[in-house]
Amino acid sequence: GAVVSQHPSWVICKSGTSVKIECRSLDFQATTMFWYRQFPKQSLMLMATSNEGSKATYEQGVEKDKFLINHASLTLSTLTVTSAHPEDSSFYICSARDYGSDSYEQYFGPGTRLTVT
Amino acid sequence: DAKTTQPNSMESNEEEPVHLPCNHSTISGTDYIHWYRQLPSQGPEYVIHGLTSNVNNRMASLAIAEDRKSSTLILHRATLRDAAVYYCILRNYGQNFVFGPGTRLSVLP
Repeated sequence: GAVVSQHPSWVICKSGTSVKIECRSLDFQATTMFWYRQFPKQSLMLMATSNEGSKATYEQGVEKDKFLINHASLTLSTLTVTSAHPEDSSFYICSARDYGSDSYEQYFGPGTRLTVT
Repeated sequence: DAKTTQPNSMESNEEEPVHLPCNHSTISGTDYIHWYRQLPSQGPEYVIHGLTSNVNNRMASLAIAEDRKSSTLILHRATLRDAAVYYCILRNYGQNFVFGPGTRLSVLP
């Protein structure tokens, strides 16, 4: 199946700094990518949907100025957590939709664990 | 989004079959039934999906009730590596995946 990668796999940063997480579709083009957040023992929650070349659509309750999403190419989307705080510590997972597949399959990355100290 | 109901947790013994149920009484005619699983500290992994007929692949089998209001994921021989959270998700063509709490499967040696 198609592969989605994320970088870094884990990151520790100090409170107040910004962190960028990359999501890449390795062997397909993804005009749409999704960012999820998962707190311990909880399920995945969709944060935003990003379409290549246009602004991201954020879910209710997600601050667009804090979680900056850029989807500048068909294989790369980035999530920047600005002015990170300890409550932003979470597991961030991206997903990419393969429009080349018959059923618009969606593939998930391995996740990035963010710890804010 | 159509909702699914799964047991919070299940246990199985290693090398025995596991049947993971999912109820989806409000499923629409065009909703596909997807199963993903998530191992600790990893992203969700595709397991299987189907529309109306039962499906088999190298990982599992999916049994879909005739009225499509429930389905069962079958792992034929559970291994320790199958311990994960299993998510049953209904998804219409091109829609997002909406994750519920899933079923946490424990496999006992």
